[in-house]
Amino acid sequence: AQSVTQLGSHVSVSEGALVLLRCNYSSSVPPYLFWYVQYPNQGLQLLLKYTSAATLVKGINGFEAEFKKSETSFHLTKPSAHMSDAAEYFCAVMGGNEKLTFGTGTRLTIIP
Amino acid sequence: GAVVSQHPSWVICKSGTSVKIECRSLDFQATTMFWYRQFPKQSLMLMATSNEGSKATYEQGVEKDKFLINHASLTLSTLTVTSAHPEDSSFYICSALPGTGSGNTIYFGEGSWLTVV
Repeated sequence: AQSVTQLGSHVSVSEGALVLLRCNYSSSVPPYLFWYVQYPNQGLQLLLKYTSAATLVKGINGFEAEFKKSETSFHLTKPSAHMSDAAEYFCAVMGGNEKLTFGTGTRLTIIP
Repeated sequence: GAVVSQHPSWVICKSGTSVKIECRSLDFQATTMFWYRQFPKQSLMLMATSNEGSKATYEQGVEKDKFLINHASLTLSTLTVTSAHPEDSSFYICSALPGTGSGNTIYFGEGSWLTVV
């Protein structure tokens, strides 16, 4: 069985500051990990994914995430926050049945 | 990137009636589609997995007779909420998986808001 835990349901950062959204996973098989972003009243957009290639994954909009097996983590980062980054972010793990299991989400607020 | 379209985006229906939501993969074929439900400020809850040409597989606790899923073609899956009640009001999101194989990206639709009055 797979699961993800997102630490911090709400994160606030100042515009231009570092964004760090935390995700820890549990998986009985080598995991495929994803970060999705959801803007209000919209579906989910893929930011990036890890599929056992490079451990540092670069995504869209300047986001990146590092897979750390020893820490079972896949934290999402962005060096400099922009107002348009305000949204809900979901970490997800894919099991062998191709189903995605989502974390509870982290709402990112950007302070002007 | 791949596009998944849902229709309608917003729908209001009366209690006791049925409402259908469509999910289409616009530029790829999807043998597998997924239907999720999301309550305000909460995560996505997988309702069922839809496979083209076969019956959908429902998650535990989801009423298959209430939430009818049909995957008639490789680009279309439909969710019909039958005999809708106010507690069925929610944001429903579909997703589609191009091809097969673990690790493939799953693409999401824009979601459909259902309000039952």
